[in-house]
Amino acid sequence: LAKTTQPISMDSYEGQEVNITCSHNNIATNDYITWYQQFPSQGPRFIIQGYKTKVTNEVASLFIPADRKSSTLSLPRVSLSDTAVYYCLVGETGGYNKLIFGAGTRLAVHP
Amino acid sequence: NAGVTQTPKFRVLKTGQSMTLLCAQDMNHEYMYWYRQDPGMGLRLIHYSVGEGTTAKGEVPDGYNVSRLKKQNFLLGLESAAPSQTSVYFCASSPLGRERETQYFGPGTRLLVL
Repeated sequence: LAKTTQPISMDSYEGQEVNITCSHNNIATNDYITWYQQFPSQGPRFIIQGYKTKVTNEVASLFIPADRKSSTLSLPRVSLSDTAVYYCLVGETGGYNKLIFGAGTRLAVHP
Repeated sequence: NAGVTQTPKFRVLKTGQSMTLLCAQDMNHEYMYWYRQDPGMGLRLIHYSVGEGTTAKGEVPDGYNVSRLKKQNFLLGLESAAPSQTSVYFCASSPLGRERETQYFGPGTRLLVL
């Protein structure tokens, strides 16, 4: 399974755009890139998933360059409620999906 | 539609005691997983199941056993609890097909082993 590398922590202010970049140099051809969000005392929650180029939903955007060795989660106009830990994962589409969670990125949004 | 539920929410055990954590999902998902999360750390996969009657080991299976007798339930057992098993335990489930990368998590069970 591909290993991912993310910044340990980030700080931002309300209303700003936040970009969290994840490196996954050994991503395999069949791997998808998935981001989860976790609030304290809760289980992780799916945010967005993509394979290549750009994906956007009501919560975030995911940018994936052509070589797919990295990806960037973009949170537009963050609020205090976006303070959480964000995990980047890559997983195979074939066989069982044994997700490997790293330590994630702790995002702190300040007033 | 409750999603993924876990029982109990919190438990205190003494070293050597046994207990079973219950996970239930009402989404008819094929895959189910048990993770543990230690303070400040990411989740680590303990065991998982790809269908009723099947189980497999994850990253940190030692000291735990699991059973999937019914599709909607996934049980995690600790036969002889140790302080190192103090953690928050999360259950998750996911469907077959292209969406199986999306896992749905329960609220967690906090376990303290004294």
